[in-house]
Amino acid sequence: QKEVEQNSGPLSVPEGAIASLNCTYSDRVSQSFFWYRQYSGKSPELIMSIYSNGDKEDGRFTAQLNKASQYVSLLIRDSQPSDSATYLCAVKPNFGNEKLTFGTGTRLTIIP
Amino acid sequence: DGGITQSPKYLFRKEGQNVTLSCEQNLNHDAMYWYRQDPGQGLRLIYYSQIVNDFQKGDIAEGYSVSREKKESFPLTVTSAQKNPTAFYLCASSMKRVSEAFFGQGTRLTVV
Repeated sequence: QKEVEQNSGPLSVPEGAIASLNCTYSDRVSQSFFWYRQYSGKSPELIMSIYSNGDKEDGRFTAQLNKASQYVSLLIRDSQPSDSATYLCAVKPNFGNEKLTFGTGTRLTIIP
Repeated sequence: DGGITQSPKYLFRKEGQNVTLSCEQNLNHDAMYWYRQDPGQGLRLIYYSQIVNDFQKGDIAEGYSVSREKKESFPLTVTSAQKNPTAFYLCASSMKRVSEAFFGQGTRLTVV
C-alpha cells in the first residue's frame, strides 16, 4: 500500500463549480497534512496546511481532515481557469519525524 | 530576500559522470529535502535531513548521495550508479515539527 494515495485524474470541472480532490494515507499516527499546487514546469507551492480534524477554510479553498478514516480532501469553490494545475497531497508522520511524503498528484482542468 | 535557491536551473550530464546539484536556504529552516519528479508523476523522496550532520534515506536513495555540513546547505550528488537520472529535481526546506515545506525552483537534469 502506498503511503499517500490520490486519484491521478484528470479531473475536469466547469468554471464556477466546486472541485473536490481527495487523498488517503496509510500511517495512522500522521499529524501534519498539506496541499500543494503545481503548474506545469514549475515547483510546487503551498495552498493549505491542516493538523486537526474538521475543516479549515482560506478564501476559495477548504481543507478537510478525518483522521479516523485517514482521509484528507481539498475543495475549491468558484473554480477558475487559473486553478488548472496538478494538486499534490503531502503528509508528515508523528512529531519528531520530518519525513514529508507526497502522493502522485491529481491533475485538475477547469473548463471555461 | 529569504528563500530557497537551487542551481543550476538546467544541467546536462554525460553518461558515467557524477554531478552535484546545489540547494541553499536562508530561512533558518532545520529540515531539508530532495525530491525527484518524472514527467506526469508525483514527487519521490530521495534524501532528507532533520539537523546538521545527519540525513536519512528516502524511498529512492540508490545512486544518490548528500551531505549536510551547514544548516543552510544540502547538496545532492547524482552518481554514475544512478542509471536513469534524467528528471526534475526539487529541493525543499521546513522548520521542524508541524511546519510546512517550501520549495526551490528546481533543477532539470538531462543525460546526454
